[in-house]
Amino acid sequence: GQNIDQPTEMTATEGAIVQINCTYQTSGFNGLFWYQQHAGEAPTFLSYNVLDGLEEKGRFSSFLSRSKGYSYLLLKELQMKDSASYLCAVKDSNYQLIWGAGTKLIIKP
Amino acid sequence: DAMVIQNPRYQVTQFGKPVTLSCSQTLNHNVMYWYQQKSSQAPKLLFHYYDKDFNNEADTPDNFQSRRPNTSFCFLDIRSPGLGDAAMYLCATSKQGAGANVLTFGAGSRLTVL
Repeated sequence: GQNIDQPTEMTATEGAIVQINCTYQTSGFNGLFWYQQHAGEAPTFLSYNVLDGLEEKGRFSSFLSRSKGYSYLLLKELQMKDSASYLCAVKDSNYQLIWGAGTKLIIKP
Repeated sequence: DAMVIQNPRYQVTQFGKPVTLSCSQTLNHNVMYWYQQKSSQAPKLLFHYYDKDFNNEADTPDNFQSRRPNTSFCFLDIRSPGLGDAAMYLCATSKQGAGANVLTFGAGSRLTVL
């Protein structure tokens, strides 16, 4: 079966750095996405990785290792508004998105 | 601004009373999706359309139906809602094909079943 694993919940301090990991086992790979979802709202796109390496976009970076079936989302200079769930999703060989359950990130002052 | 709009944002219905949720888009994307998301769970794909080509996920209950009368609009019909159907229903759009094809989501319709 296809599977995406992420930690259920993480806590970090305002101004700090946090890394959210995602491991996947899918039938084929055509890209990995990270979405941010605030409570009661729809997911919004953060990043896309299809090749190995690090993609940086402002305070957020995403890393991919296809050989390890592994990605992480790195958030720097954390702000209170970063409190949200972070969803990892992989596009499989049929271009279908397989979603993780999300990591709830709690930011403390 | 180009966007995906869902109505209503909040829907309360009684057990067994049909509900229709709507989605409209101004992005001119040819792919539209309906997801069901329960608290702290992954979004679950119910249906998707490539243009008018309808694709039903194998485990989507018959209680759920969908219509896409044109490129811009899509509807989700829940014929006889049960307590287990209480969830957030998310409409999303994307372009078709290889590449990133990022999903753009509407704000969602939260369904409560009494």
